[in-house]
Amino acid sequence: EDQVTQSPEALRLQEGESSSLNCSYTVSGLRGLFWYRQDPGKGPEFLFTLYSAGEEKEKERLKATLTKKESFLHITAPKPEDSATYLCAVQAGSGNTPLVFGKGTRLSVIA
Amino acid sequence: DGGITQSPKYLFRKEGQNVTLSCEQNLNHDAMYWYRQDPGQGLRLIYYSQIVNDFQKGDIAEGYSVSREKKESFPLTVTSAQKNPTAFYLCASKNGAGGYEQYFGPGTRLTVT
Repeated sequence: EDQVTQSPEALRLQEGESSSLNCSYTVSGLRGLFWYRQDPGKGPEFLFTLYSAGEEKEKERLKATLTKKESFLHITAPKPEDSATYLCAVQAGSGNTPLVFGKGTRLSVIA
Repeated sequence: DGGITQSPKYLFRKEGQNVTLSCEQNLNHDAMYWYRQDPGQGLRLIYYSQIVNDFQKGDIAEGYSVSREKKESFPLTVTSAQKNPTAFYLCASKNGAGGYEQYFGPGTRLTVT
């Protein structure tokens, strides 16, 4: 069974204090790994797709990396507006197989 | 402006009533999905549809029904058989097969009392 585990469940950072969120996965035949940001009461917003080990993607203060067993979302010098829940999901198999989501990491950045 | 719309944003119903949540997309995406989100839990798949007039059950389909008569629309009905219907419901769509990202709507928060 495909599984996605995110850690930590919650993370509190001071503004400017860099850190990383972890997403470990167990899937057979990874087609893609996805990171989303979700603000309270809103739908998830797509951030990155990673397809193969060694791949990296960057957007502003965020950088996502992928290995064969896990992905990291690195947050450099975070600001209060980066506070949100970050969701990781994987797609395995073929066709339009649905994504399998982790439970998310709730990030709070304090000014 | 392309995107996914869900209506209404908030919905209140009495126990025992069926209720239909709307999801429309103008992205010309083939696949559409319905998820349920509860506090402390991840997104759980209710139903998905890869093409018009076809849909599959997800992990928690009991008490829900869907239809896909048009490519743009994928309404979800929460029936009175659903034991705990109060939740945040999210619709998503995806273009093509393979490892492409899903895009989500803004969600509908359903409260049943």
